[in-house]
Amino acid sequence: EVQLLESGGGLVQPGGSLRLSCAASGFTFSSYAMSWVRQAPGKGLEWVSGISSSGDNTYYADSVKGRFTISRDNSKNTLYLQMNSLRAEDTAIYYCSLKQGGSWGQGTLVTVSS
Amino acid sequence: DVVMTQSPLSLPVTLGQPASISCRSSQGLVYSDGNTYLNWFQQRPGQSPRRLIYKVSNRDSGVPDRFSGSGSGTDFTLKISRVEAEDVGVYYCMQGTHWPLTFGGGTKVEIK
Repeated sequence: EVQLLESGGGLVQPGGSLRLSCAASGFTFSSYAMSWVRQAPGKGLEWVSGISSSGDNTYYADSVKGRFTISRDNSKNTLYLQMNSLRAEDTAIYYCSLKQGGSWGQGTLVTVSS
Repeated sequence: DVVMTQSPLSLPVTLGQPASISCRSSQGLVYSDGNTYLNWFQQRPGQSPRRLIYKVSNRDSGVPDRFSGSGSGTDFTLKISRVEAEDVGVYYCMQGTHWPLTFGGGTKVEIK
């Protein structure tokens, strides 16, 4: 069974940083491109960032480009999202998923507030 | 970026009646491998999204056969043949062909 478990969310002040992790199991992690998707309170789904199976190629939404960095460690079956220069509008539940959305984690809440 | 436009925004449906959601992309979604990566998701209140349909018309495992997807080019549709109470939630289309990936704005399905 595919499982994705996000962690690392929390309360952070504007301008601060957080690193999210997503532990994957139940499938060959190194064979799949992955994504981070977020959902602000009461809003729709917003794709944030994606990474190829090897990690060689990364992609970002304009809203986070230059502030967020996606990476992966295929030896640890783990996906990461380094978030810097956080803003109030980054407040959301962050989900990791397979690129085509076949499986999702339960999400981790990031709150950016002073 | 590919813009995904869903309609309607809200869809009140009588139990047992059909429902249809439209999704339009700003450009074609055929990938170089010949596949069209158009996916549909259901998000029930308080839950993570769940994929229902992948590559336009393929139902995921465990998805009831009252859900169906169709379309081609830039126009796609999700249909529920007979709405049940458990179908209440928000439905999203997503294109997985072009980076950056993009979602439609969502359609809220509710019972009349």
